[in-house]
Amino acid sequence: QVQLQESGPGLVKPSQTLSLTCTVSNGSVSIGDYYWSWIRQPAGKGLEWIGRIYTSGSTNSHASLKSRVTISMDTSNNQFSLKLSSVTAADTAVYYCARGRPAGDGYNTYYFDYWGQGIRVTVSS
Amino acid sequence: QSVLTQPPSVSGAPGQRVTISCSGSSSNIGAGYDVHWFQQLPGAPPHLLIFNNNNRPSGVPDRFSGSKSGTSASLAITGLQAEDEADYYCQSYDSSLSGVIFGGGTQLTVL
Repeated sequence: QVQLQESGPGLVKPSQTLSLTCTVSNGSVSIGDYYWSWIRQPAGKGLEWIGRIYTSGSTNSHASLKSRVTISMDTSNNQFSLKLSSVTAADTAVYYCARGRPAGDGYNTYYFDYWGQGIRVTVSS
Repeated sequence: QSVLTQPPSVSGAPGQRVTISCSGSSSNIGAGYDVHWFQQLPGAPPHLLIFNNNNRPSGVPDRFSGSKSGTSASLAITGLQAEDEADYYCQSYDSSLSGVIFGGGTQLTVL
């Protein structure tokens, strides 16, 4: 079955760029009809979708984060990555990568059938 | 403030039935976008429970069921068990935001 694993620094200084990578096993990031996504969860709070990259390489992200988010794909290493610039304490959260599977509702929407274990990122000086 | 509204908490005794609501609007659930549900145990990532409104992935007990009507959706859990104690989230898509949306989450307590 598909496995996802987040990696990256657990501590980022304010105003710097948060960089995370998701390594996918038993599946290919560049084959099939999938939306490889990033989702975050501040401590004690709910889930927030950050953005996604489709297997073709097209991207989309949350309207409130769009100016700070870059999502890319590395097909040679079967990974996809998140960069979030100009971070503040409000960006402190557990960050998950997940695979989005088409919902088949005719709208190109999707649901998340596989998730990574999550990585805790703290923004602090 | 989440675009999809869920009750912060629900509770029930073992064996009972509970429902968790997920209220949206005409730009998300009411527009016809499917609703999906996740269970999150403490310290673990979310786990897919229901997809496309009322479908269970293999391995999910039939005690869990979903429904959707108008601008709302619901998750029902029958025969409540202690292991069901977790946070539950609904998920859909919003055309105004052009992106994925989640409900604020509901904490289920088994009394």
